[in-house]
Amino acid sequence: QSALTQPASVSGSPGQSITISCTGTSSDVGGYNYVSWYQQHPGKAPKLMIYDVSNRPSGVSNRFSGSKSGNTASLTISGLQAEDEADYYCSSYTSSSTFYVFGTGTKVTVL
Amino acid sequence: EVQLVESGGGLVKPGGSLRLSCAASGFTFSSYSMNWVRQAPGKGLEWVSSISSSSSYIYYADSVKGRFTISRDNAKNSLYLQMNSLRAEDTAVYYCARRTVTSQYFDLWGRGTLVTVSS
Repeated sequence: QSALTQPASVSGSPGQSITISCTGTSSDVGGYNYVSWYQQHPGKAPKLMIYDVSNRPSGVSNRFSGSKSGNTASLTISGLQAEDEADYYCSSYTSSSTFYVFGTGTKVTVL
Repeated sequence: EVQLVESGGGLVKPGGSLRLSCAASGFTFSSYSMNWVRQAPGKGLEWVSSISSSSSYIYYADSVKGRFTISRDNAKNSLYLQMNSLRAEDTAVYYCARRTVTSQYFDLWGRGTLVTVSS
């Protein structure tokens, strides 16, 4: 089971919107509505930002939104803020023996 | 406070063993499936192992199958990972993560414990 494919880096200016893609297969992203997104600041534990493709946990800013089309999921951050600078990982349940697969990770830089 | 706290990491030689622990507090531990997820230095996240709430179902990543053993003690609110035949590529921060009851995502993570496999 290979990792889900994410762009290595995405950048934007404060106030702008950015989108991070997460491409998998019909065995994971395309096959289930079990895509989640995690934010990780350096030296910190991952934090859940989006679950089940497009749902936000309590306490997560509504500037974060998720969607999916076919085998590709996306995380959009609108109104980019300095505090959003972090690594972001997508994850999906998979029908393979791996059970859960993570994305390759995307470093978000706020210019 | 709802939290997970890992311990047991350290430096171990290739071929050696280590046992990680994860102490849960602030929630009903016995109701949740628990997982170990690791992150090699400068790399991405990798799911390692999962155990159901009653230990009835256990799963491993192919990379650790046959070498690692996950277990739990619901009376002690604790999760464990016994790691044997360790390799350099097992070097990583190991996170304990709670899987939500109703879906397939990890809603609570510990801070992690570093395992370094080196001679």
